[in-house]
Amino acid sequence: KNQVEQSPQSLIILEGKNCTLQCNYTVSPFSNLRWYKQDTGRGPVSLTIMTFSENTKSNGRYTATLDADTKQSSLHITASQLSDSASYICVVSNTGTASKLTFGTGTRLQVTL
Amino acid sequence: NAGVMQNPRHLVRRRGQEARLRCSPMKGHSHVYWYRQLPEEGLKFMVYLQKENIIDESGMPKERFSAEFPKEGPSILRIQQVVRGDSAAYFCASSPVRGTSFIEQYFGPGTRLTVT
Repeated sequence: KNQVEQSPQSLIILEGKNCTLQCNYTVSPFSNLRWYKQDTGRGPVSLTIMTFSENTKSNGRYTATLDADTKQSSLHITASQLSDSASYICVVSNTGTASKLTFGTGTRLQVTL
Repeated sequence: NAGVMQNPRHLVRRRGQEARLRCSPMKGHSHVYWYRQLPEEGLKFMVYLQKENIIDESGMPKERFSAEFPKEGPSILRIQQVVRGDSAAYFCASSPVRGTSFIEQYFGPGTRLTVT
C-alpha cells in the first residue's frame, strides 16, 4: 500500500531559528516528490517538486532533499519567519496520472516570537 | 489572474440533505481535480475531470457522490443524502493540461462541509 509518513506531527520554534521536517514514503513506482505549504483555511501551495534524479532543490529559504534509495525526504526551513507558520505536506507521486498522488498528513509548524 | 475559486467556503447541511460544492478553475485551465481531507488525515484524491468528461473517478465513493464539469460554468461536486462522515474539507485543484504526475496542480481554498 502506498503511504507517506511525516514527522514530527507538530513543531514549535522561535522566529529566526532553522528547522527540518521529515518525510518517509513507500510509494512505488516512484515518479516525483513535492512539498506543499498549507496555511490554515487555505489550499496547499507548491514549494518544490523533485524527480528521482534530483537530490536537492531550493525555493528561497526552503530547501528540500531527496534520497530515493532510502525513500526519505526532508524540508529545511532557514531563518524562520512568523509567516512560515503553516502545515507542510509531503506528496509523493506514482508514475501515471494525477490520481496517483499520495499525501502525507503534514507537519504543523508554529513559529513564535 | 484569479486563482482557483471555490464556493461556498463553509457549508452546513443536516443529515439526508444534498450538498453542492462549486469549483471555478484558474483562467485557461481545463482540467479539474477534487480531493477530500478528513479531520487529521491527508488529502485523498476523488475525481479528475476535463470539460464534459470524467477522466478518472477511482477515488469517488460508489454511492451518493457525483461530479461534473460542464462545457460552461464551474465544476460541481454533488453529495446526496449527506451523513456525518461526509464532514470534511473538499479541495479543488486545476491544471492547464492533462494531469500527468509532473503537472502542477493549483489548489483552491476549499469548502468545509459540516453535517449536523
